[in-house]
Amino acid sequence: DADVTQTPRNRITKTGKRIMLECSQTKGHDRMYWYRQDPGLGLRLIYYSFDVKDINKGEISDGYSVSRQAQAKFSLSLESAIPNQTALYFCATSDDTSGSYNEQFFGPGTRLTVL
Amino acid sequence: KNEVEQSPQNLTAQEGEFITINCSYSVGISALHWLQQHPGGGIVSLFMLSSGKKKHGRLIATINIQEKHSSLHITASHPRDSAVYICAVRSNQFYFGTGTSLTVIP
Repeated sequence: DADVTQTPRNRITKTGKRIMLECSQTKGHDRMYWYRQDPGLGLRLIYYSFDVKDINKGEISDGYSVSRQAQAKFSLSLESAIPNQTALYFCATSDDTSGSYNEQFFGPGTRLTVL
Repeated sequence: KNEVEQSPQNLTAQEGEFITINCSYSVGISALHWLQQHPGGGIVSLFMLSSGKKKHGRLIATINIQEKHSSLHITASHPRDSAVYICAVRSNQFYFGTGTSLTVIP
């Protein structure tokens, strides 16, 4: 079984709809991240969480919100989707044992299309 | 302005060739990460390094902290190596390169 799972894997929605992308992990990691990937651009950080009570904005948080329901679950919401939020979204996790940058483990990605 | 620059953006090689992908960065870092993204989209970690050199099978990653540069080498390339290779660095936040798309032709 995959260590980091994302649902749904693909989603097509219309402008103005509320969308939630979910991420679950069985790695026992404290740190979780949401990224988006657009053609020709590197992965960009939307939000990250270092533990259940810690939520931080990333580089491109406008138009998004997150919820860390448990250590294993981190959800990303688009309150009112717009076409330029069409992208590939990745969830990732990392351990925090050393306090430094650790290896990140990525989910399979969610391809979101906003019409 | 991109804190992480990769070159080349696209690379086509014949099977068996030695391949080098370069990564330069402009920020102070605590570690650098090489990732592999397959056509299906999934991303896997290849290496994390903060100094020197690491080797895993046919893959070798090096980093020169003073020059703010890292290279990923693939020896005896194979069509299954075809993927996008992404360089990422950890500074005060995470920065990612745009990736190098590698195609290895049989």
